[in-house]
Amino acid sequence: KQEVTQIPAALSVPEGENLVLNCSFTDSAIYNLQWFRQDPGKGLTSLLLIQSSQREQTSGRLNASLDKSSGRSTLYIAASQPGDSATYLCAALDSGSARQLTFGSGTQLTVLP
Amino acid sequence: ETGVTQSPTHLIKTRGQQVTLRCSSQSGHNTVSWYQQALGQGPQFIFQYYREEENGRGNFPPRFSGLQFPNYSSELNVNALELDDSALYLCASSLPSRLYNEQFFGPGTRLTVL
Repeated sequence: KQEVTQIPAALSVPEGENLVLNCSFTDSAIYNLQWFRQDPGKGLTSLLLIQSSQREQTSGRLNASLDKSSGRSTLYIAASQPGDSATYLCAALDSGSARQLTFGSGTQLTVLP
Repeated sequence: ETGVTQSPTHLIKTRGQQVTLRCSSQSGHNTVSWYQQALGQGPQFIFQYYREEENGRGNFPPRFSGLQFPNYSSELNVNALELDDSALYLCASSLPSRLYNEQFFGPGTRLTVL
């Protein structure tokens, strides 16, 4: 059974700082890994998706990496802004027929002005 | 391209009642997955429907059931509601034949059970 862990659970940084969010998973037989953003009480916004054959994906100030052999992914946020404050979730999509996502519990990020 | 929509936005029920939540998938997507997100936790997979058939189920009791219609919209039904069923219910649509199999989420339905 896939288990996904995110560290830290909460993070507070001053505006402008670069930061890294960590995600680890126990079963390397994944189809892809997605990073999501969730604002309080809202649904999930997909940020980046990394295929199992890829090492990283970039979108603007965001860069996500994937190391299947070690069961780790990181989300790098450059030059953080107060608008980046949200909960960030990583999720591994299994390679079985159901293609279900297994989520971590998230990292709650606060960027202080 | 129309995104994933869910209704209602919020719902309040009492213990023992039954509830139906609805989801319209993104245009062209034939797969809908449902997730339950308790406060402060990541979403948990409930089940998935692919072309109107259940295609996988998480660790949820049979009182959680679903349907998918020919237009690929979906319903989640929960019978005999319990206090612990209070959560944000999310649906996601996808098209498995696409290379990336990305799942797109709706805004969720907040269910409160009193």
